[in-house]
Amino acid sequence: SQTIHQWPATLVQPVGSPLSLECTVEGTSNPNLYWYRQAAGRGLQLLFYSVGIGQISSEVPQNLSASRPQDRQFILSSKKLLLSDSGFYLCAWSVSENREQFFGPGTRLTVL
Amino acid sequence: GQNIDQPTEMTATEGAIVQINCTYQTSGFNGLFWYQQHAGEAPTFLSYNVLDGLEEKGRFSSFLSRSKGYSYLLLKELQMKDSASYLCAAMDSNYQLIWGAGTKLIIKP
Repeated sequence: SQTIHQWPATLVQPVGSPLSLECTVEGTSNPNLYWYRQAAGRGLQLLFYSVGIGQISSEVPQNLSASRPQDRQFILSSKKLLLSDSGFYLCAWSVSENREQFFGPGTRLTVL
Repeated sequence: GQNIDQPTEMTATEGAIVQINCTYQTSGFNGLFWYQQHAGEAPTFLSYNVLDGLEEKGRFSSFLSRSKGYSYLLLKELQMKDSASYLCAAMDSNYQLIWGAGTKLIIKP
């Protein structure tokens, strides 16, 4: 069966510090991968998605970036965090673009 | 623009039935998804509708009317563990999910 891992589970970072969140998927090949951010009381906001190694599409201009160095690894990064980057970050995968997405456990990021 | 509307909060009694409505406006349509999200946790997939009609899955059912841009999630025989937020999401012509803010369901004994 397929599983998706994210780490860390929680993170507290000062403004201006760098960020690296990692997501890995097991039990499937060539998944579509997604990074979302969820702010309190709001719908999920798609940040990046990837249909293959090295292929990244950005949905929202911001100080975040994403990379997919391996088939089942997706990384979210920032060089300098802003206060507004606080939120619940979720990684998800799907078999194909028109199918349901399955979410990892999430990372709760607080920027102080 | 693209938009999803669903009630912010609903309250129901244990053992009863509740219907959570969702209306959507998207550029093109490739399906309607429902997810359950317990507080502090990630969303989990519940159902997918792409054709009009009712899809039943145990105590949960989901309905879609494409002509009306409308869906609902029906929960029967409510249990305390059903207390959660329920997220409605519509997939547009680019296969992007447009998410509602979620409906917080409170179950009372």
